[in-house]
Order: sequence, then structure tokens, then C-alpha cells
Amino acid sequence: DIVMTQSPDSLAVSLGERATINCKSSQSVLYSSSNKNFLAWYQQKPGQPPKLLIYWASTRESGVPDRFSGSGSGTDFTLTISSLQAEDVAVYYCQQYHSTPRSFGGGTKVEIK
Amino acid sequence: QVQLVQSGAEVKKPGASVKVSCKASGYTFTSYGINWVRQAPGQGLEWMGWISPYDGNAHYAEELQGRVTMTTDTSTSTAYMELRSLRSDDTAVYYCARDGGWLPELAALWIWGQGTLVTVSS
Repeated sequence: DIVMTQSPDSLAVSLGERATINCKSSQSVLYSSSNKNFLAWYQQKPGQPPKLLIYWASTRESGVPDRFSGSGSGTDFTLTISSLQAEDVAVYYCQQYHSTPRSFGGGTKVEIK
Repeated sequence: QVQLVQSGAEVKKPGASVKVSCKASGYTFTSYGINWVRQAPGQGLEWMGWISPYDGNAHYAEELQGRVTMTTDTSTSTAYMELRSLRSDDTAVYYCARDGGWLPELAALWIWGQGTLVTVSS
């Protein structure tokens, strides 16, 4: 099974500043036949279901603001919020869908400093 | 619009079973897989399994094998998740979520249901 490890568990960032969340997989999630990383990022606000932000490690879902970006390949990935807005307060999860079980990271809580 | 609407909250006693439904609309039900994900109070997301509405093929998380069954009814575009021998640590919000299609690269979770709270308590 692939284990997903996120860091930090939480972070507090001033409005307008950059937030960076890391996600590491225990095995590569690069799918060789398509050369795509099967890694997604989700945002979950209190009382709501998760929302898909990014798939293939770096492709933004339609309608997601461009202050959200994903990067990385193989086993190391990053979600960056370039200029934190009040509405970005949430818990963020990475998930690999390279193989079953399609495991999630433990989540990173982002708050305003 | 594309949406998944889940059944309402449930309260069950330890040892009982629960069956949560997830009704799909706005798309061709058999063209996309349905995943089930749960979230215990204050905790993270746990992937439970996946089912293909096209042929009923299902994959379950190993720790739930033998207690969980996922099914679909294509006549009503509804997916079901049944969990048996409930324990207190099964208390969680259960979500259904649709993937992006049959290709492996589309297995991220694009559309989510609103969630169903299942409480297991004596």
C-alpha cells in the first residue's frame, strides 16, 4: 500500500502571504504509460465535503483560482497558495490514485495569522 | 447539473448494519466509478473502496474486507454502501464521490455527495 505523508499538520499564514503544503508518497505515483503523476489535492471547509483543486499533481480543476498551484513528481509534491485569502481557510488533503487503496494524506489545516 | 445526493443521517447500535445510498443525476451513471470515503469526527479522510456501475466490479480497503459491500442499481442511478457489524469507531461522515471516467488517469474524485453521518452508539 502507498502511504501518503503531509507536512506540516497545520500552518498559519498572513493574508496575502504564501502558504506551502508538502505531500510525500512512500512509492512513486508516476504512471509510466502516460507520464502523469496520479496525485490530487482537495480542499475541505468545515461542514462541507472535499472539493477537488488539482489533479495530475499540477492541473487545476476548472474554476479553481490561479493562486493555487501544484508541483512535484514521483514521490514529492507541493501545493502552494501564492497569496492567501480569507476564503482559503480550510484543511487540504493530498491523495494518490496510482493504485488501490487510493490513500489520502493526513491533512494540513491552513489558518490566518 | 451533475450531482450526488446521499441518504439521511443514521443512528445504529453496535453490531448492527447500515446501508447508505447515493443517487446520481446529470450524467451517464455507468460511465464513471463511484468511490466511498469516510471521515471520523475531527479526523482525516479514509478511502473505503470503489465500484464500477458498468459491471459491478468493486475494490475494498483491506481493513474493511468482509464487513463492507458496495453495490449499484443502474435502473435508478443509485450506489449503495452497506457496512455490517458496526463498532463505535465506525462513527463517521460517509461520502460517495465520482471519479472522472474509466481511464486510470481519471481516478481523482471530481464530484462529491453531501455526506451522511452514521453514529454508532449503544
